Amino acid sequence: EIVMTQSPATLSVSPGEGVTLSCRATQSVSNDLAWYQQKPGQAPRLLIYAASTRAPGIPARFRGSGSGTEFTLTISSLQSEDFAVFYCQQYNNWPYSFGQGTKLDIK
Amino acid sequence: EVQLVQSGGGFVQPGGSLTLSCAASGFTFSSYWMHWVRQVPGKGLVWVSRINHDGRTTDYADSVKGRITISRDNARNTLFLQLNSLRVADTAIYYCVREGLDAFAAWGQGTLVTVSS
Repeated sequence: EIVMTQSPATLSVSPGEGVTLSCRATQSVSNDLAWYQQKPGQAPRLLIYAASTRAPGIPARFRGSGSGTEFTLTISSLQSEDFAVFYCQQYNNWPYSFGQGTKLDIK
Repeated sequence: EVQLVQSGGGFVQPGGSLTLSCAASGFTFSSYWMHWVRQVPGKGLVWVSRINHDGRTTDYADSVKGRITISRDNARNTLFLQLNSLRVADTAIYYCVREGLDAFAAWGQGTLVTVSS
């Protein structure tokens, strides 16, 4: 089973600043990597798939990159609505697996 | 508009059973793999099961294998998850998810299953 590890666990950032979240896989997942945003009481919302493709309706300030085992999600100029928990997920090998999440807090 | 509307959660005692449903609309249900993902409240996401277009291929996470059955009724555009021999550790919000060219863009609203004596 592929284990996904996200870092950091928590990040405190001020609105307007940029941030980079990391995700690492224990073996190559090619570019079969997605990023989700989850707010309290809501289902996860897909942000990025295929490592770098933004889902429909996702603002350009969200950018995904990486391949193989190392991936990043960069959010530029954070807006108030961006603060949430972010998960990476690989769908290259069953069982698909998520990282443990990075919580983005308002500083 | 793509919609996945879930029902069937609730409270059940350890050892009990429950069936979750996920009604799909706004897309050709029979063309898509479908999945179930669960989340213990306040914790992370865990992939539980998946089923192919015609229901003939299913996969399960080791943690639920033998106790959970995924199925679908393409005539009714509905996905099911039958939960048996439930344990306290199965307490979670269960989400149905559609797999497509856009990966996993469509999620149900989630349904809470609480296992407690």
